[in-house]
Amino acid sequence: GENVEQHPSTLSVQEGDSAVIKCTYSDSASNYFPWYKQELGKRPQLIIDIRSNVGEKKDQRIAVTLNKTAKHFSLHITETQPEDSAVYFCAAPYYGGSQGNLIFGKGTKLSVKP
Amino acid sequence: GAGVSQSPSNKVTEKGKDVELRCDPISGHTALYWYRQSLGQGLEFLIYFQGNSAPDKSGLPSDRFSAERTGGSVSTLTIQRTQQEDSAVYLCASSFSGSSYNEQFFGPGTRLTVL
Repeated sequence: GENVEQHPSTLSVQEGDSAVIKCTYSDSASNYFPWYKQELGKRPQLIIDIRSNVGEKKDQRIAVTLNKTAKHFSLHITETQPEDSAVYFCAAPYYGGSQGNLIFGKGTKLSVKP
Repeated sequence: GAGVSQSPSNKVTEKGKDVELRCDPISGHTALYWYRQSLGQGLEFLIYFQGNSAPDKSGLPSDRFSAERTGGSVSTLTIQRTQQEDSAVYLCASSFSGSSYNEQFFGPGTRLTVL
């Protein structure tokens, strides 16, 4: 089965700075890597995802990079804003993508200071 | 349209009692997932349903935990003889199909407190 490690557990940045969260996975067959954002008191929501056939994907201020050889992927947030403050979870498929369940990392609490 | 709903939103129970948590997925979603989120912890996978079948029950912490899904829709997570360590937020999610490529839509969760 898959194992997902996420670092750091907490991250504090000044508004306008960049933030990077990293995850590693164990199953080389995994081929899909989503990121979910959970604001305080709210439910997790998908913000971006990447499939293993690309190395990078961008959506406005957020981007995800994937290194299949090293089995790690990262979330990059540029020009951070206070509304980016939340817990971010990375995930990978439990059985390499053949089934629907995901294994989530333990989360990174991002605090953006105005 | 309506999102995933869960009930109750909060449940306080005494140690040793049984509890039932309910999840109503988005209409038409065939896959349903249960997760547990303890304070400061990540999303711990519990069980996954594809239709009414549960291909993967490996995340259930003990035999005190069980879940069922009827009619390919509503799911119930039952915890028997609750223990204090069962205190957590229980999240349900659904997706259009059982492929991991499909976005999972989460419910608001049930906060369970075992005294």
